[in-house]
Amino acid sequence: QKEVEQNSGPLSVPEGAIASLNCTYSDRGSQSFFWYRQYSGKSPELIMFIYSNGDKEDGRFTAQLNKASQYVSLLIRDSQPSDSATYLCAVNESGNTGKLIFGQGTTLQVKP
Amino acid sequence: KAGVTQTPRYLIKTRGQQVTLSCSPISGHRSVSWYQQTPGQGLQFLFEYFSETQRNKGNFPGRFSGRQFSNSRSEMNVSTLELGDSALYLCASSYEGGGEAFFGQGTRLTVV
Repeated sequence: QKEVEQNSGPLSVPEGAIASLNCTYSDRGSQSFFWYRQYSGKSPELIMFIYSNGDKEDGRFTAQLNKASQYVSLLIRDSQPSDSATYLCAVNESGNTGKLIFGQGTTLQVKP
Repeated sequence: KAGVTQTPRYLIKTRGQQVTLSCSPISGHRSVSWYQQTPGQGLQFLFEYFSETQRNKGNFPGRFSGRQFSNSRSEMNVSTLELGDSALYLCASSYEGGGEAFFGQGTRLTVV
């Protein structure tokens, strides 16, 4: 069974701090990795995607990928109360284009 | 550019009934995937359609089915509804599958 593991949290950080969210996956053949943000009662919103080892930055968000360690992370700099949400890590299952395997999500709380 | 549109937003059905949900993908996207989200199980993959063909299927009973039309719009059907089918049903569209996927607002189904 291919799995994606996340710490459910809650992860609590003060406003302005860096929030670090982590994810591990079991499918060594996975090539595409995504972070979604989901506010309570809403649908997931794609905020970052990464396909190559290393870092990818977009505004306050940085995604990091290490395929050898099967590890993906998301850093949120200068965290804001509006960043408080559940963050879902998703991995494309190898050999099954279009099928995403999701972690259970990490709840982030940013305290003013 | 219009996003992914799901209808209806809310549904209340009785056990034993059947239901059909609709998803219109982003213009130009040919892959549509369906997911079930529940508090206990998180986001679970149902199936993916690409060019009117089911390309992937998750581990759900045969009561769950779907189809895709030539304009890429997709429907999913659940027959003989059970209480446990109460969930948020999400569809995601992507250009060809395997890349960035964008979710609709979801259909919240309650089975009583």
